[in-house]
Amino acid sequence: NAGVTQTPKFQVLKTGQSMTLQCAQDMNHNSMYWYRQDPGMGLRLIYYSASEGTTDKGEVPNGYNVSRLNKREFSLRLESAAPSQTSVYFCASREHRGDGNTIYFGEGSWLTVV
Amino acid sequence: QQQVKQSPQSLIVQKGGISIINCAYENTAFDYFPWYQQFPGKGPALLIAIRPDVSEKKEGRFTISFNKSAKQFSLHIMDSQPGDSATYFCAASMGGGAQKLVFGQGTRLTINP
Repeated sequence: NAGVTQTPKFQVLKTGQSMTLQCAQDMNHNSMYWYRQDPGMGLRLIYYSASEGTTDKGEVPNGYNVSRLNKREFSLRLESAAPSQTSVYFCASREHRGDGNTIYFGEGSWLTVV
Repeated sequence: QQQVKQSPQSLIVQKGGISIINCAYENTAFDYFPWYQQFPGKGPALLIAIRPDVSEKKEGRFTISFNKSAKQFSLHIMDSQPGDSATYFCAASMGGGAQKLVFGQGTRLTINP
């Protein structure tokens, strides 16, 4: 059971380059998320998708776009990378439960923009 | 704005001691308060969670204490072990929709043997 799988694990980009972070979950979850983690700032929500076919902005969406390709896959695209986007990116999905919610995170993608 | 404030930023505890991490929130609409544990190189994983209709929840050595009037909640790790050394995040979300989590800044916990 793979859970939430992200690719690539590590990436170095030059300023202005574009790239897509891929995410897939095999738990049949409806909701998926992209967070970025920076030192001293916790995890901040970039975009989320409450269900297949819908996407919405989170706390820090500028400079990013997303695509909910199907129920399993949710990709994050940087159109023109900037050094401020150097971060660790986490994809996550949410299990709907009667007593609460469990959000499952992938192992992260380390992105450096030089 | 930071809707969930976490302290301390780092914490060192001796093996067998009690580790305490505190969080405060602003939005009274929050109704779900989880704690996540993150080891280096890994994604965060749910540790324990509480809803505001109870004041305390215990799972093994981990306890959440919740004070609704003060808008504060805390994580207590009893009999702390070196394997508990990790970064801990508190979070909060409100019901309905996608239930987006808002995270605290994180606490790096080190348990000395």
